Amino acid sequence: DAGITQSPRYKITETGRQVTLMCHQTWSHSYMFWYRQDLGHGLRLIYYSAAADITDKGEVPDGYVVSRSKTENFPLTLESATRSQTSVYFCASSDVRSYGYTFGSGTRLTVV
Amino acid sequence: AQTVTQSQPEMSVQEAETVTLSCTYDTSESDYYLFWYKQPPSRQMILVIRQEAYKQQNATENRFSVNFQKAAKSFSLKISDSQLGDAAMYFCAYRSGKKTSYDKVIFGPGTSLSVIP
Repeated sequence: DAGITQSPRYKITETGRQVTLMCHQTWSHSYMFWYRQDLGHGLRLIYYSAAADITDKGEVPDGYVVSRSKTENFPLTLESATRSQTSVYFCASSDVRSYGYTFGSGTRLTVV
Repeated sequence: AQTVTQSQPEMSVQEAETVTLSCTYDTSESDYYLFWYKQPPSRQMILVIRQEAYKQQNATENRFSVNFQKAAKSFSLKISDSQLGDAAMYFCAYRSGKKTSYDKVIFGPGTSLSVIP
């Protein structure tokens, strides 16, 4: 199906473990983004990418790593998960000529 | 840096009534876009309405309209004839018009809207 797909939808992991959240889009949008959503903070930008092999830090990048070897994929890795990274994570994409984002359905991550 | 503020963490409205959600933003730019996103309990983020800063006319989408006051940096959302399905978290958001901004969108903290039957 066309669109932007995130997986998994729910994830529980232990402190210190590495976990990767997947994001795949089928529109060949240039820009892709990772946000985290926490109560009272809205959505905060973690990392973004303007094209394959071009990534940059957002507002809250510490503890996260991204890669973008292909235009359609933009995985987010928590290298050593901490409880403060318990959150809902959204992937989004944007065409350079569009005015807003298209969002994935989000991943609820719980770190215990 | 640009910021977006939503001063109402929670709002409620009677079904069929009208409610206005407030949003203010801070920017030194003249070219930008403003958005309202809706997030129902399903968690999906849905674009409700958008406004180009260079347009003086307020955007309207069916029961949703905005009051865009550029000088005051205010962008409120009015929902008319509220329906139970309007219950959701609403986010105000800003996007710079500059190409060098990498198309980043900045979100406010959100307003949780309840609709009372």
